[in-house]
Amino acid sequence: EAGVAQSPRYKIIEKRQSVAFWCNPISGHATLYWYQQILGQGPKLLIQFQNNGVVDDSQLPKDRFSAERLKGVDSTLKIQPAKLEDSAVYLCASNLGTYNSPLHFGNGTRLTVT
Amino acid sequence: GENVEQHPSTLSVQEGDSAVIKCTYSDSASNYFPWYKQELGKRPQLIIDIRSNVGEKKDQRIAVTLNKTAKHFSLHITETQPEDSAVYFCAAVNSGSARQLTFGSGTQLTVLP
Repeated sequence: EAGVAQSPRYKIIEKRQSVAFWCNPISGHATLYWYQQILGQGPKLLIQFQNNGVVDDSQLPKDRFSAERLKGVDSTLKIQPAKLEDSAVYLCASNLGTYNSPLHFGNGTRLTVT
Repeated sequence: GENVEQHPSTLSVQEGDSAVIKCTYSDSASNYFPWYKQELGKRPQLIIDIRSNVGEKKDQRIAVTLNKTAKHFSLHITETQPEDSAVYFCAAVNSGSARQLTFGSGTQLTVLP
């Protein structure tokens, strides 16, 4: 089966600029997650979707981050305006939605804010 | 919410020795505990998982143990090989309706030839 696809792989922007990341989950996976992984740390959940609805966005900095999952498939994560501390790898993951359904990660987008 | 602590942060072992990584969790209702391996520049990949109704699970050189009373679980790698070198993350699924994974901070395992 095809894995979770993400683009771009790398992005360098200046602070206060905007950036968008795209994710295509594994076909049939109802649940989609965006994680932020800062260097040397574990992935931290930003937002969780079930189909096209938001299940949890309590850890998403909503003043600058936004995400959507139109039609319950692809998802985009946007940052506007970016700050230096947003430099991280942004990982998209998906699973079937049951509690013990393995989480499949994409390769991530490495964002550098200068 | 769930809090997962992982130790040690770095671990070096000689090839052929065993490695043990330990994690504790805070939510007594958590019932699923996966372990992920992340090689440099690559995605985290699931290597083994355990549900709360079992105390131990093995898959070749890898085993995971769970102590629900103490709220801790451990990853054991035997006969380590250089290709086992990576960052290992433990995680726990919370008991809330959203059923999310909370990750530990990671352990950098280095297997010395």
